[in-house]
Amino acid sequence: NAGVTQTPKFRILKIGQSMTLQCTQDMNHNYMYWYRQDPGMGLKLIYYSVGAGITDKGEVPNGYNVSRSTTEDFPLRLELAAPSQTSVYFCASRGTRLAEGSGGRYEQFFGPGTRLTVL
Amino acid sequence: AQTVTQSQPEMSVQEAETVTLSCTYDTSESDYYLFWYKQPPSRQMILVIRQEAYKQQNATENRFSVNFQKAAKSFSLKISDSQLGDAAMYFCAYRRPGTASKLTFGTGTRLQVTL
Repeated sequence: NAGVTQTPKFRILKIGQSMTLQCTQDMNHNYMYWYRQDPGMGLKLIYYSVGAGITDKGEVPNGYNVSRSTTEDFPLRLELAAPSQTSVYFCASRGTRLAEGSGGRYEQFFGPGTRLTVL
Repeated sequence: AQTVTQSQPEMSVQEAETVTLSCTYDTSESDYYLFWYKQPPSRQMILVIRQEAYKQQNATENRFSVNFQKAAKSFSLKISDSQLGDAAMYFCAYRRPGTASKLTFGTGTRLQVTL
């Protein structure tokens, strides 16, 4: 298993540009999450999903959109990039007792992160 | 809303010594989970240890152990026999059962390990 993968690893955007951060997991996890980590801070939840077709806002959703058309993928969209969105973005996933292949492990597995700079 | 507080921005420990990282949290729930995550320079978030609030016994994972004081809402991490590879940011996190397992993180403690 590759676990949780994120692309790209790094990106520089100009103000007003758009981009999509990709996240894929191969553990058949139902739950997926997007966090952002600002310098010197902990992670804050942007959006999450409890299954394909279901998404909900977290603590800091403004300026972002998500979709969950498959179990594996949970892309994060920035429509009009702003300097305040300069951060490191982490995707995570978590299995549930009923999910096949989760092995009964219920904790969140994190991707390696994407460092985004908006200038 | 739940909050997690880590009051030590930085800590330092000598190799082979023991260090304790502090974490307090605020919740009105009686059932919840607490975690310590390690974030090395690679940025990868690694689960170190987990504690269920209904368990009185403190969790232990090799050189890592916790001191869970439910009444005081305190959850400290003890690292014994510190190694250079333990140098990292350490985050305390809280989760309520249900609520889609959303985690609330503290601001982190940077641990330096010196020779």
